Amino acid sequence: GQQLNQSPQSMFIQEGEDVSMNCTSSSIFNTWLWYKQDPGEGPVLLIALYKAGELTSNGRLTAQFGITRKDSFLNISASIPSDVGIYFCAGQRTSNFGNEKLTFGTGTRLTIIP
Amino acid sequence: ETGVTQSPTHLIKTRGQQVTLRCSSQSGHNTVSWYQQALGQGPQFIFQYYREEENGRGNFPPRFSGLQFPNYSSELNVNALELDDSALYLCASSNRGWNEQFFGPGTRLTVL
Repeated sequence: GQQLNQSPQSMFIQEGEDVSMNCTSSSIFNTWLWYKQDPGEGPVLLIALYKAGELTSNGRLTAQFGITRKDSFLNISASIPSDVGIYFCAGQRTSNFGNEKLTFGTGTRLTIIP
Repeated sequence: ETGVTQSPTHLIKTRGQQVTLRCSSQSGHNTVSWYQQALGQGPQFIFQYYREEENGRGNFPPRFSGLQFPNYSSELNVNALELDDSALYLCASSNRGWNEQFFGPGTRLTVL
């Protein structure tokens, strides 16, 4: 099945550093969602974006819905140990049938080096 | 407010067997979606249920089937298990008309 392209694939950073990751698609989405997944658990919703150009924050996390509607970006400021995990973007189209499926990215694995 | 729950947590089956996974949606949600997540990959959409009917299906064969019950809980059934069916199966609940989907902890299926 289709997966969106996320980069970087993995990141090794020190505590306190800022993090940036992005997600690109060949097709347009109406909604972008960012999730974080810890090992052996389900994805947890971090931020939802509904409009092209929208910039939304959730604490130290900031995400943007790209103007072309084919990409999205997630930034984490001043990283802390609990930020470790895998971050997934997900795009969604909405139709008259309601909420359509989520198409997920390939994931960005964030590791904090002591 | 109760979150999405799934059972069982882990399951080991052999090739050719059948399996049923269960999901209880978050309180107030009427739509359930199922996803398969292979190791090292993002979740892949299997199908979605709304009002006890399938409301969209991904690229999965007919041996993957589902049900939704009047209380909005759902089951995923997989017949004739294959080795490649080994994965984390995730259930997500949402409300029709709202875009956000909330995931359960998943069921880890191993097929030997």
